[in-house]
Amino acid sequence: DQQVKQNSPSLSVQEGRISILNCDYTNSMFDYFLWYKKYPAEGPTFLISISSIKDKNEDGRFTVFLNKSAKHLSLHIVPSQPGDSAVYFCAASAGMDSSYKLIFGSGTRLLVRP
Amino acid sequence: KAGVTQTPRYLIKTRGQQVTLSCSPISGHRSVSWYQQTPGQGLQFLFEYFSETQRNKGNFPGRFSGRQFSNSRSEMNVSTLELGDSALYLCASSLTASNTGELFFGEGSRLTVL
Repeated sequence: DQQVKQNSPSLSVQEGRISILNCDYTNSMFDYFLWYKKYPAEGPTFLISISSIKDKNEDGRFTVFLNKSAKHLSLHIVPSQPGDSAVYFCAASAGMDSSYKLIFGSGTRLLVRP
Repeated sequence: KAGVTQTPRYLIKTRGQQVTLSCSPISGHRSVSWYQQTPGQGLQFLFEYFSETQRNKGNFPGRFSGRQFSNSRSEMNVSTLELGDSALYLCASSLTASNTGELFFGEGSRLTVL
């Protein structure tokens, strides 16, 4: 049972346009959400996060939106750059769980075309 | 400062064998987590250690085990290897004990089981 789902395995956008990556979750206990980016032959790197007390968090070209009622979050990249081409993983954790355990989605491969 | 270091980077084993993977966290980080990445499945949580104690464990069979040493270095072991164990095994460390801290990943150990 996948608690975190990324239903789009791949996405292709033109350089300069907006990239929107989506993520759905089923566990209402999740209260912290993160996005990680992964290049080939490298480990994932943290990109941006959001707490459930917020509905938006912005960091430069990256913005994460959280819709708790729909159990949905999205990552917006504006403007998209070729260097953004990577696999993006959505992850979630539950504050009630005192240990460090992230539940990841299956990832979306983003290709930004020059 | 040095990042998370995983050894070996690549290894090939045959069914029935066992394997030990090593992870050295970022200096000062006391939490170490292990994840398995397979195509289409994203990152699956294996276990998390903090101060030599396993705080959480994912849904993997008992063939998967781990430990953490007093210097925070961690090892994971997989016994009686199966073909389905072929995957990228990622180690991640965190400075804080809280699950809202950033996870720093190593480059992974790619295991191929023949």
